[in-house]
Amino acid sequence: QKEVEQNSGPLSVPEGAIASLNCTYSDRGSQSFFWYRQYSGKSPELIMFIYSNGDKEDGRFTAQLNKASQYVSLLIRDSQPSDSATYLCAVRDNDYKLSFGAGTTVTVRA
Amino acid sequence: EAQVTQNPRYLITVTGKKLTVTCSQNMNHEYMSWYRQDPGLGLRQIYYSMNVEVTDKGDVPEGYKVSRKEKRNFPLILESPSPNQTSLYFCASSFPGHSPLHFGNGTRLTVT
Repeated sequence: QKEVEQNSGPLSVPEGAIASLNCTYSDRGSQSFFWYRQYSGKSPELIMFIYSNGDKEDGRFTAQLNKASQYVSLLIRDSQPSDSATYLCAVRDNDYKLSFGAGTTVTVRA
Repeated sequence: EAQVTQNPRYLITVTGKKLTVTCSQNMNHEYMSWYRQDPGLGLRQIYYSMNVEVTDKGDVPEGYKVSRKEKRNFPLILESPSPNQTSLYFCASSFPGHSPLHFGNGTRLTVT
């Protein structure tokens, strides 16, 4: 089974700091990568997607992809209490199957 | 409003009593999928469908059935629910290829 691993957390950061989330995947043929945010008891909501090596920025969020090393990361700049949630890494392979990591819980303390 | 709608949101049932969780999307997505989410195990795929009348097993299909008679609907059927199927269930849909998934609001199922 194709695996997606995330740092287990929980990750606690002070308000205004940078939160750094990491994700590694086992299938070298994976083509697309997604970060979802999930509040407790709610459905996952898409934050970012990235298909090419390098960085992709959207507001306070930056996704970084390194296919050679098989990792994708998410940086949250100027963290806010509303960023406190579980972040799910998802990886889609060549057959379009989407596999999820177990998630990293982030707590932003005021 | 573009959305994936699941019903019911909460369901408590007893072992062996057949149930159906409905899922409908209004975005004309070809791809639909069901996931269950359990603490510490993340989201695990139950079944998926690439298009009408095309369904396939995910990672944890045992005890579940699905059908895709229309593009917009993808119901999840539990013929004989058991307590180990107590979980939070999500339906999701997307365009084919590498498009992101859109999730429904979830169904919390308890089987006693």
